[in-house]
Amino acid sequence: AQTVTQSQPEMSVQEAETVTLSCTYDTSESDYYLFWYKQPPSRQMILVIRQEAYKQQNATENRFSVNFQKAAKSFSLKISDSQLGDAAMYFCAYRSATDSWGKFQFGAGTQVVVTP
Amino acid sequence: KAGVTQTPRYLIKTRGQQVTLSCSPISGHRSVSWYQQTPGQGLQFLFEYFSETQRNKGNFPGRFSGRQFSNSRSEMNVSTLELGDSALYLCASSLRGEMNTEAFFGQGTRLTVV
Repeated sequence: AQTVTQSQPEMSVQEAETVTLSCTYDTSESDYYLFWYKQPPSRQMILVIRQEAYKQQNATENRFSVNFQKAAKSFSLKISDSQLGDAAMYFCAYRSATDSWGKFQFGAGTQVVVTP
Repeated sequence: KAGVTQTPRYLIKTRGQQVTLSCSPISGHRSVSWYQQTPGQGLQFLFEYFSETQRNKGNFPGRFSGRQFSNSRSEMNVSTLELGDSALYLCASSLRGEMNTEAFFGQGTRLTVV
């Protein structure tokens, strides 16, 4: 079974600064998908960024980028120019390419606190 | 267009009772999955439905069941509630339930068992 580990329970960052959230995963599969989801106090999970394992290029979405190291099974998220609206719980998630669409394996989450 | 709608938003039940939670996916979406979120266990996969068929099921006891209707709306049922069933229940929907499609989540139903 796959496991996803987020070792940072909480990270604090000042507005306009950069913060990096770490995520490692354990799998024997070669084809899979990795995600970062954001859960603000409204509780709704929002997709931040997605990475297909077969793509070597790191995904980027505006101020959010990932560092995907397949051999090391590492998938970190960098938030640049942090904004107050970035404050939320961030979850790293793994989806096998051979299992069904709706089955994610989530990490425990990292709470991001943004200070003015 | 409207997002994923979960009802009710909050629910308080007594141990031993049963409960039904509802999830209306985004219009046109045919796949729905359910998750239980607790502080201790985190997010755990419950089940997934596509076109009224259960495609996958997580490691939960038989007290947890679900179904999907022809209009893609889904319900999950928990019978004989236990205190440990207190959690946020999230559902997500997808257009076709394919691997390269995004999961859109609802705001969840907060269930408290007393």
